[in-house]
Amino acid sequence: DTAVSQTPKYLVTQMGNDKSIKCEQNLGHDTMYWYKQDSKKFLKIMFSYNNKELIINETVPNRFSPKSPDKAHLNLHINSLELGDSAVYFCASSQGGTRSEQFFGPGTRLTVL
Amino acid sequence: KNQVEQSPQSLIILEGKNCTLQCNYTVSPFSNLRWYKQDTGRGPVSLTIMTFSENTKSNGRYTATLDADTKQSSLHITASQLSDSASYICVVSPTGTASKLTFGTGTRLQVTL
Repeated sequence: DTAVSQTPKYLVTQMGNDKSIKCEQNLGHDTMYWYKQDSKKFLKIMFSYNNKELIINETVPNRFSPKSPDKAHLNLHINSLELGDSAVYFCASSQGGTRSEQFFGPGTRLTVL
Repeated sequence: KNQVEQSPQSLIILEGKNCTLQCNYTVSPFSNLRWYKQDTGRGPVSLTIMTFSENTKSNGRYTATLDADTKQSSLHITASQLSDSASYICVVSPTGTASKLTFGTGTRLQVTL
């Protein structure tokens, strides 16, 4: 199936832990994104990579670090998790920059206890 | 500050009825405006993308309109079905290849029997 996939789908962890979320797209797109959707369902961009280069880096705590090993993958590592990090994290991809249609993954629901 | 406001916040309609969702934005200059459908527990899926020069675009029973002068858009759903129950999100993209999308908070639509 051609799609944007994320793992894991659910992640429950304790405060202070470090965790990673993985994202892969097989659409051949050159741009990938991480979004955070809070409890009010508001989507906000965190990072964007174009051809493995960081092009958007919103004001997020430096505990969040994206890594793009290649064009098809964009992983998100979170250090020292806090309660406020609980949200749904969406990965997305597009071809030709941020003005192009974006295809979203199924989301990873992170719960920090 | 770029903003996208949607109304109503939520809507309940009977199956088979039509409805119209509204989106007002302040993003300027803007490249395109998109409507996404987000089912519960899933990632957003694109319905339409319109550039500033387009007035209307259809995707099946979904028809989006755009008035770039008044900075307003609407999404009209015809002959609603139970599967239309979802959140509908208006997204505006400023110009620039590394521009950040501005998301509305969405309209939660529930279609009932």
